Amino acid sequence: ETGVTQTPRHLVMGMTNKKSLKCEQHLGHNAMYWYKQSAKKPLELMFVYNFKEQTENNSVPSRFSPECPNSSHLFLHLHTLQPEDSALYLCASSQGGYKRGYGYTFGSGTRLTVV
Amino acid sequence: AQKITQTQPGMFVQEKEAVTLDCTYDTSDPSYGLFWYKQPSSGEMIFLIYQGSYDQQNATEGRYSLNFQKARKSANLVISASQLGDSAMYFCAMREDETGANNLFFGTGTRLTVIP
Repeated sequence: ETGVTQTPRHLVMGMTNKKSLKCEQHLGHNAMYWYKQSAKKPLELMFVYNFKEQTENNSVPSRFSPECPNSSHLFLHLHTLQPEDSALYLCASSQGGYKRGYGYTFGSGTRLTVV
Repeated sequence: AQKITQTQPGMFVQEKEAVTLDCTYDTSDPSYGLFWYKQPSSGEMIFLIYQGSYDQQNATEGRYSLNFQKARKSANLVISASQLGDSAMYFCAMREDETGANNLFFGTGTRLTVIP
């Protein structure tokens, strides 16, 4: 256990479904992130939240909608996805702001398959 | 342009031998941080080692060391005395401290297989 918990671990959904991914951390971190990991591509940053405020949206389609109700929880709401959205979605947290030497703590990811 | 380049899609190493995983980076920031992560088949990204751009000495963490050559913009990971449990994907990442403190740029990764 890394301290960052993601649920569910696996998700299969149709293109017309609505589902949500959940991420929870109890490390006292102030920043949380969503990354997308597709096969043979670098991890892509999707969203960044600092102290519950969204500070970055990396040109992500609107069918992905993040929500951060508090510093410990992060959601990714999904609707009308496309098959190319199938990927591993990783959540991470960090101390936030600029902290030299601080990397991210990642969860185990949600493996999403869109059919 | 790719900020992080990992040119080895796959590497094999004999158990108990050392292996070097290559990473080159591209940035104009004078201050940046370099990270290596391990991703086993379970999916989670495990932090291994960090090197700051102003650090004078190469970082070491147990069996992991980072061969930092600033002029060549390379940050290779050296794993000594490989173990079967080291088989995994390895990712190099960079954070630019002045332009993108919240964004880690990742390479495409290297799959390491340790042979018994």
